Amino acid sequence: AQSVSQHNHHVILSEAASLELGCNYSYGGTVNLFWYVQYPGQHLQLLLKYFSGDPLVKGIKGFEAEFIKSKFSFNLRKPSVQWSDTAEYFCAVRPNYGGSQGNLIFGKGTKLSVKP
Amino acid sequence: NAGVTQTPKFQVLKTGQSMTLQCAQDMNHEYMSWYRQDPGMGLRLIHYSVGAGITDQGEVPNGYNVSRSTTEDFPLRLLSAAPSQTSVYFCASSRVLNTEAFFGQGTRLTVV
Repeated sequence: AQSVSQHNHHVILSEAASLELGCNYSYGGTVNLFWYVQYPGQHLQLLLKYFSGDPLVKGIKGFEAEFIKSKFSFNLRKPSVQWSDTAEYFCAVRPNYGGSQGNLIFGKGTKLSVKP
Repeated sequence: NAGVTQTPKFQVLKTGQSMTLQCAQDMNHEYMSWYRQDPGMGLRLIHYSVGAGITDQGEVPNGYNVSRSTTEDFPLRLLSAAPSQTSVYFCASSRVLNTEAFFGQGTRLTVV
């Protein structure tokens, strides 16, 4: 079965520090890739997505992610975090099966705490 | 823009009770799904539907039923609630191919 691994359970940073959250997946075929953010007590919101084309994807609020196919990775980055980035971040993968798509598979999430 | 609407937002059930979590979307999306979110477990797929009249099981379907009589609605039924079903439940919808999923606000369910 396909799986998504997020390397860090909890990351604590000071404001203005740089962020990189790791995400690896196990499916060998074509995939759609997503990062979602969940602020405390809220629902999941899309940060960014990758379907095809430029492997460096820019999302909202200064986030970006790079798809490295050879490493099955889709790491999330932000050059300078803010206190308001405190949230839980989920990587998700949707396999494509040549014209149809599989279900969205989520990693277990990474909690980011940003100290003011 | 309503998007994906879930009701109720909070619910407390006694063990053995049944209830239905409601989910409706107004984006004419073919694909709808239910996830449960538990601490340290991420989101796990319970059931999904690729269109009206079609449903299938996800990763953790036991104890839950779904139906899809219309494109807009995808209710999740708990047949006989158990404490292990205490969780936050999210409904999501999307077009079938190459789009992101849109999530509802979630239902926090406690089974005592």
